[in-house]
Amino acid sequence: AQKITQTQPGMFVQEKEAVTLDCTYDTSDPSYGLFWYKQPSSGEMIFLIYQGSYDQQNATEGRYSLNFQKARKSANLVISASQLGDSAMYFCAMREGGTGTASKLTFGTGTRLQVTL
Amino acid sequence: GAVVSQHPSRVICKSGTSVKIECRSLDFQATTMFWYRQFPKQSLMLMATSNEGSKATYEQGVEKDKFLINHASLTLSTLTVTSAHPEDSSFYICSARSHRSSGRFYEQFFGPGTRLTVL
Repeated sequence: AQKITQTQPGMFVQEKEAVTLDCTYDTSDPSYGLFWYKQPSSGEMIFLIYQGSYDQQNATEGRYSLNFQKARKSANLVISASQLGDSAMYFCAMREGGTGTASKLTFGTGTRLQVTL
Repeated sequence: GAVVSQHPSRVICKSGTSVKIECRSLDFQATTMFWYRQFPKQSLMLMATSNEGSKATYEQGVEKDKFLINHASLTLSTLTVTSAHPEDSSFYICSARSHRSSGRFYEQFFGPGTRLTVL
């Protein structure tokens, strides 16, 4: 079974609008972390936001917020006030087994976001 | 944020040759480094996890004799693709995890990637 599912291969959004990128996950581990990364065409992976499984509040980082619905096992990324520079591939990822240094990140298949004028 | 470098950024080689890719954490000590492979328009697939001074742990299906990983120091890991073939052509990304916690998780930083083309 897929541990991380991103059902939207591609999304379009107009500049200055908000967009939600979906992510659902599957784990039986009570301790896990959820991450979102941005990958522009240059290839580098840019960390955006993190949500821990025990966090009570939804994570926010500037224009990024994570809509964490634990019972539904979803961790959607919301980008507000989209900018042309937001056009990129977005990956949701999960780390299970606590926050130790050896635990691994598992990535979803990604969503390609295109911001239009 | 912390910086992870990879060298080379691009390499083209002939089938049968070996290629070494270096991954360095420039301003922090990385207790653990990870090597990923990414095919075009696909996700990152973890190949192996390495801890400084010990043997790498390879993911299922990854040939350890084909992809040699050496984590010689807390700032350097190398991936050697031995006897490369066209099917090894891919984007290889390393990642280094800091031993410092941000308070909630150990930060993991990614290198810019190496595009390998085997002719």
